[in-house]
Amino acid sequence: AQSVTQLDSQVPVFEEAPVELRCNYSSSVSVYLFWYVQYPNQGLQLLLKYLSGSTLVKGINGFEAEFNKSQTSFHLRKPSVHISDTAEYFCAVSGAGYSTLTFGKGTMLLVSP
Amino acid sequence: DVKVTQSSRYLVKRTGEKVFLECVQDMDHENMFWYRQDPGLGLRLIYFSYDVKMKEKGDIPEGYSVSREKKERFSLILESASTNQTSMYLCASSSRLEVQYFGPGTRLTVT
Repeated sequence: AQSVTQLDSQVPVFEEAPVELRCNYSSSVSVYLFWYVQYPNQGLQLLLKYLSGSTLVKGINGFEAEFNKSQTSFHLRKPSVHISDTAEYFCAVSGAGYSTLTFGKGTMLLVSP
Repeated sequence: DVKVTQSSRYLVKRTGEKVFLECVQDMDHENMFWYRQDPGLGLRLIYFSYDVKMKEKGDIPEGYSVSREKKERFSLILESASTNQTSMYLCASSSRLEVQYFGPGTRLTVT
């Protein structure tokens, strides 16, 4: 069984500052890892994914994440955030060979001017 | 672009009513999923389906059933709605070994 822990329920940050949203997972098998974003009153949209290969993954809107197998982490980063990045971010894990997704509880990113 | 549509964005039902939530995808995906989303709990899987007429229970199937008669359509059924089923319901679809694509969600209120 897999589980995902998003350590921060809310992250306030000023516009143009860097941000890191933390995600740790547990799994007894190889994993696929995902970050999704949910803007207000919308469904989830894929930001980026790690399936294999390079541990540094680049996604849309300037976000990137690094897979760290030894620390079982997949933290999301952006060097300079915008007001429009205000949203809820979900980390998710599935077993390799792809089964169902297990989601974290989400981190609300609040960007203020 | 993949499109996943849900029949209603907002729905208000009374306790004890039978409720149908419909989801349609246009990308010939094999897999379809129903989640509920509650504040502080993230997304929890209710049911999923790997093929037509096939269904599998997720983490919280109690009080729900599903139907998949056609590949593109996956319905979530609340046999007798209760107030603790007030939530946001999200449908998703995927092809094998690929990411899940989500619909816009249905916010269901049971009074």
